[in-house]
Amino acid sequence: EAGVAQSPRYKIIEKRQSVAFWCNPISGHATLYWYQQILGQGPKLLIQFQNNGVVDDSQLPKDRFSAERLKGVDSTLKIQPAKLEDSAVYLCASSRQPGQASINEQFFGPGTRLTVL
Amino acid sequence: AQSVTQLDSQVPVFEEAPVELRCNYSSSVSVYLFWYVQYPNQGLQLLLKYLSGSTLVESINGFEAEFNKSQTSFHLRKPSVHISDTAEYFCAVIKAAGNKLTFGGGTRVLVKP
Repeated sequence: EAGVAQSPRYKIIEKRQSVAFWCNPISGHATLYWYQQILGQGPKLLIQFQNNGVVDDSQLPKDRFSAERLKGVDSTLKIQPAKLEDSAVYLCASSRQPGQASINEQFFGPGTRLTVL
Repeated sequence: AQSVTQLDSQVPVFEEAPVELRCNYSSSVSVYLFWYVQYPNQGLQLLLKYLSGSTLVESINGFEAEFNKSQTSFHLRKPSVHISDTAEYFCAVIKAAGNKLTFGGGTRVLVKP
């Protein structure tokens, strides 16, 4: 079974530029998550999708961040415009059963390391 | 809201020595508890989890963690570490009726020969 795929693995941009990250979850996984992991900290949930609907985006900075999962499979996370403090690793994860994240393992991708100069 | 504290940001340890990584959580409701491991340049992998039942849970590679409700702790231990255990370890909690994982700040384990 293929794991969660993310691209690109690394991205360097200047502040005020735009950037997009892509995630392809494990086949058949209904729930998809985007996390932000700032250096020295644990991952923080940005947004959770169940199929193509948003379950939780309470910690997503909506003035600059957006995410979509149009066909309920892969997803993109966009930052526009980027700030210096957005430098972090952006992790995508997926889990099998919708609405049962507490007892279903989340599988993580390798992440995209973003550096904003 | 729940929170997780990992008291040690870095733990250097010699090969074949024991290691303990401390994790304390705060929550007003019942929670499930997890330990994830992140090897260099890789994503997070689930190491072990406590959902219910026996308070001592084990992983397939020799780690164990004990849930202590009175002390709100879920410390991770291994009696004898290998070089390959060098990684960052994250403790995480989720409310029993919730859907959001809350992670601690992580503990970086460096195993020295």
